[in-house]
Amino acid sequence: DAKTTQPNSMESNEEEPVHLPCNHSTISGTDYIHWYRQLPSQGPEYVIHGLTSNVNNRMASLAIAEDRKSSTLILHRATLRDAAVYYCILRDDIYGAGSYQLTFGKGTKLSVIP
Amino acid sequence: DVKVTQSSRYLVKRTGEKVFLECVQDMDHENMFWYRQDPGLGLRLIYFSYDVKMKEKGDIPEGYSVSREKKERFSLILESASTNQTSMYLCASSPILAADKWELYFGPGTRLTVT
Repeated sequence: DAKTTQPNSMESNEEEPVHLPCNHSTISGTDYIHWYRQLPSQGPEYVIHGLTSNVNNRMASLAIAEDRKSSTLILHRATLRDAAVYYCILRDDIYGAGSYQLTFGKGTKLSVIP
Repeated sequence: DVKVTQSSRYLVKRTGEKVFLECVQDMDHENMFWYRQDPGLGLRLIYFSYDVKMKEKGDIPEGYSVSREKKERFSLILESASTNQTSMYLCASSPILAADKWELYFGPGTRLTVT
């Protein structure tokens, strides 16, 4: 399984942008990069995913390096509600045809300072 | 909205008891998963199922079994609970979709304490 490396923790000031890095140097050509986050006392929730091109949605942006060996999750304006553990995951396709699974690492704990 | 529900938020059981954790999803998803989460270890996959009556071992299946008799329900069974199974248990489901549309939906979790 391809692995990811993330910093254990990061801090951000409220209303400032946050760049959460992820290294995945052994990524294969078909691995999608997924980001999930887990708010306190809740199950993880989907944030964003991508393959090669940068992606934007209402929650965040995902910037993927040209060689795909790293990516960055960008929160454009951190709020206190964004304080969570953020997981960068490479999706495995075990059986093909949509039978995917995710192997979670320890993630990055993001603290937002008022 | 996709909803994944788990039978209990908190559960306390005694060592040696047989424990059932139930998970139900309401969006006709084919795939269902059970994870456990422990401080410092992150989420670890216990078992998963890609279809009714079908199951596959994840990374840490020892001490657990599962049952999927209906598409919407996936049960995790601790045959004889032990204190090292005290943990947060998270259920998840996903549809079979094109690769660029797939995502995983989690329930709120069950915090199990075995005394």
